Amino acid sequence: DTGVSQNPRHKITKRGQNVTFRCDPISEHNRLYWYRQTLGQGPEFLTYFQNEAQLEKSRLLSDRFSAERPKGSFSTLEIQRTEQGDSAMYLCASSDLTRGSGTEAFFGQGTRLTVV
Amino acid sequence: DAKTTQPNSMESNEEEPVHLPCNHSTISGTDYIHWYRQLPSQGPEYVIHGLTSNVNNRMASLAIAEDRKSSTLILHRATLRDAAVYYCILRDGPPKAAGNKLTFGGGTRVLVKP
Repeated sequence: DTGVSQNPRHKITKRGQNVTFRCDPISEHNRLYWYRQTLGQGPEFLTYFQNEAQLEKSRLLSDRFSAERPKGSFSTLEIQRTEQGDSAMYLCASSDLTRGSGTEAFFGQGTRLTVV
Repeated sequence: DAKTTQPNSMESNEEEPVHLPCNHSTISGTDYIHWYRQLPSQGPEYVIHGLTSNVNNRMASLAIAEDRKSSTLILHRATLRDAAVYYCILRDGPPKAAGNKLTFGGGTRVLVKP
């Protein structure tokens, strides 16, 4: 198992375009989280899934953002009509609450989005 | 989640111990104290967590004050690879029940000098 994988690692897009990011969690991890991190700040929670169910969404997740985890495995985060303020690192994390202590969240390396 | 306060930055010499303080004066009885660190150009990684008792693992030690209003992460012998931003996070409830939604603050940037 190679850990949490995120693609692409970098994305440059023009304002107004739609973008989609993919996250492949650690195999059989039932929880998957999305965070956003701007330069010099800590990550901010966006949303999380328990299997395929989206259980919580932050108020940071405007209606231009949508996340899915259709089969309880990989997840996608789509941003429609991107704005310059969407430029950030988007981090995915997964955890397994059915094994061990379920304490750790394992993070991917992130997708860096630049909106020009 | 309750708020934590950490110094913005700290410097250490290589192979010396590093003590990273965290204040959490509004901690509740069910809040667990978690530490994560973020190396340059990486996602955060789990370091350690605790509730009341001091904890040790291969990465670090966590010393928790008796009143739980503060804690200290201890890196026993800093290496250049330990240069990172360290986040102290409070999370309500036992890990399995609460899941792993984490509320990050600004963290402490640790610089390790050779």
